[in-house]
Amino acid sequence: DTAVSQTPKYLVTQMGNDKSIKCEQNLGHDTMYWYKQDSKKFLKIMFSYNNKELIINETVPNRFSPKSPDKAHLNLHINSLELGDSAVYFCASSPQTPGRLEQYFGPGTRLTVT
Amino acid sequence: GESVGLHLPTLSVQEGDNSIINCAYSNSASDYFIWYKQESGKGPQFIIDIRSNMDKRQGQRVTVLLNKTVKHLSLQIAATQPGDSAVYFCAESTIYNQGGKLIFGQGTELSVKP
Repeated sequence: DTAVSQTPKYLVTQMGNDKSIKCEQNLGHDTMYWYKQDSKKFLKIMFSYNNKELIINETVPNRFSPKSPDKAHLNLHINSLELGDSAVYFCASSPQTPGRLEQYFGPGTRLTVT
Repeated sequence: GESVGLHLPTLSVQEGDNSIINCAYSNSASDYFIWYKQESGKGPQFIIDIRSNMDKRQGQRVTVLLNKTVKHLSLQIAATQPGDSAVYFCAESTIYNQGGKLIFGQGTELSVKP
């Protein structure tokens, strides 16, 4: 069974469009994340949610809006897509307990903006 | 500012040899470190982590060494196999930081020659 899943795996869209990426984890973790990986494979955190509450917002443009309907889901909505938004977006989850800090990543969503 | 970097962006080893992937970090307040493996087209996969109260931690065929004096981290892979070919990332964090923010390094691409 997939622990952290994302849909879609590939997303090709035009500049100016609005799109969403969905993420679900079945690990029972309280904390979920969105990361962006650029063409040079650099991974950078965007958002962190703990039990549906926003904890980290890493100076991401407000065109990006995460939404957590429950602690097992963290979706990412992007408005007015720009060429520079092209990247691979990873969702992750973590137990974030004193003994368990590791994060588990989904398979990624490759977003291409044309 | 904070940064986690790698000495070698690419590493090529012969199957069966041991591999050593290095990582330098600059935030002396970091007390939690983690290694990930990312295969082509997949999300980062957790390998092993270590806290700053340890110098060494072993897993299955992998060992992580932490030298806090020089702020250096390494991942040793014993008897490297073709399946170990991937990009390896180190990341740092502080245990009590809100949200579990991981700061990732550049990544090292490991290529295993049969």
